[in-house]
Amino acid sequence: DQQVKQNSPSLSVQEGRISILNCDYTNSMFDYFLWYKKYPAEGPTFLISISSIKDKNEDGRFTVFLNKSAKHLSLHIVPSQPGDSAVYFCASPDSGAGSYQLTFGKGTKLSVIP
Amino acid sequence: NAGVMQNPRHLVRRRGQEARLRCSPVKGHSHVYWYRQLPEEGLKFMVYLQKENIIDESGMPKERFSAEFPKEGPSILRIQQVVRGDSAAYFCASSPSPSGTYNEQFFGPGTRLTVL
Repeated sequence: DQQVKQNSPSLSVQEGRISILNCDYTNSMFDYFLWYKKYPAEGPTFLISISSIKDKNEDGRFTVFLNKSAKHLSLHIVPSQPGDSAVYFCASPDSGAGSYQLTFGKGTKLSVIP
Repeated sequence: NAGVMQNPRHLVRRRGQEARLRCSPVKGHSHVYWYRQLPEEGLKFMVYLQKENIIDESGMPKERFSAEFPKEGPSILRIQQVVRGDSAAYFCASSPSPSGTYNEQFFGPGTRLTVL
């Protein structure tokens, strides 16, 4: 009953190229999405978010796209840098139970190769 | 300007022992959330506390697990009679308000619990 799915456990990208991380969700009630970045031995750090009233949000090298009809979102990082190597989690607040309960995907480990 | 602090960072317990995990929120934050990450899984919500109150413990196992956030001192997640399946990373997050703005949860570095 996984409501947020990240189907790629890992991704390797050359430095300078684009990284695309994907996330699918099943709960139509989800109306806000967040991406977190996590380095080893550290906690998740908020990266970027998007509301369902938008289909794109951009912050520097990071852009998140939302396709509501497909229940799919993606995080684009361009150009990718070695410091971007981390695990990226897609998450959404379970608004039905209160906005504080974040439901996370399993994460995608991004490796940016110099 | 310290962020969320958790200790210990690593905890090893034998089956049947008790584990106590501590979380000091960001200074001024009065809302604390605990999440658990099992191996190869995403983080899963366990419990939401405000000072001296448990607001929502719907994600916490009914037995052996308890949480508190006293008026003074850190929040404590307590696991009694640990079993191997409790081995996981436990993350604490805090927010200044009830996280009405979704990105206001600041996460600590986690406690990695290993049950032998």
